[in-house]
Amino acid sequence: KNQVEQSPQSLIILEGKNCTLQCNYTVSPFSNLRWYKQDTGRGPVSLTIMTFSENTKSNGRYTATLDADTKQSSLHITASQLSDSASYICVVSEGSSNTGKLIFGQGTTLQVKP
Amino acid sequence: GAGVSQTPSNKVTEKGKYVELRCDPISGHTALYWYRQSLGQGPEFLIYFQGTGAADDSGLPNDRFFAVRPEGSVSTLKIQRTERGDSAVYLCASSPPLNTEAFFGQGTRLTVV
Repeated sequence: KNQVEQSPQSLIILEGKNCTLQCNYTVSPFSNLRWYKQDTGRGPVSLTIMTFSENTKSNGRYTATLDADTKQSSLHITASQLSDSASYICVVSEGSSNTGKLIFGQGTTLQVKP
Repeated sequence: GAGVSQTPSNKVTEKGKYVELRCDPISGHTALYWYRQSLGQGPEFLIYFQGTGAADDSGLPNDRFFAVRPEGSVSTLKIQRTERGDSAVYLCASSPPLNTEAFFGQGTRLTVV
């Protein structure tokens, strides 16, 4: 079964600190991997998208890495802010095209404290 | 519109009733997805449309769930004989042709009492 697993399930850090979230997947064939941020009561918002050939991609203080050989990805948040408190969801697109089904991980709930 | 619009934002219904949830995707987006999200969980795939046709409906939990997209734009998710276990946030997303980006609506929170 195609799966996406994330760790840790939840995380609490102090404002200004860095953190790294992990994602392992077994989806095959693999098209692309995305990280979404979901604030409470809102729909997910895309942070980064990486295809098979991309190893790293940044979006401001967010940097995602991808190792397609080991099927692992990470999302690194630098100099965290209170507004970073949210769920971060790893999403893998199944199939050979960019329009494949999206398979979601369970998310990591991040809480940034002052 | 500027983004994916879902209506209603909240729906409370009695067990056994029929409900319809609507999704207005971004204009020109050919792909449309429905997901269901329970509290504290990641979104769970339900169905995915390319144009008017359901490219993959393997996530629909049973035959009480049905979705349509008759003109390739607006989609309606229909749930018959609702059960308390159907209570969740139903998310809709759309994606333009040959593009990796999927844009989500705010969701419809369904509560079956």
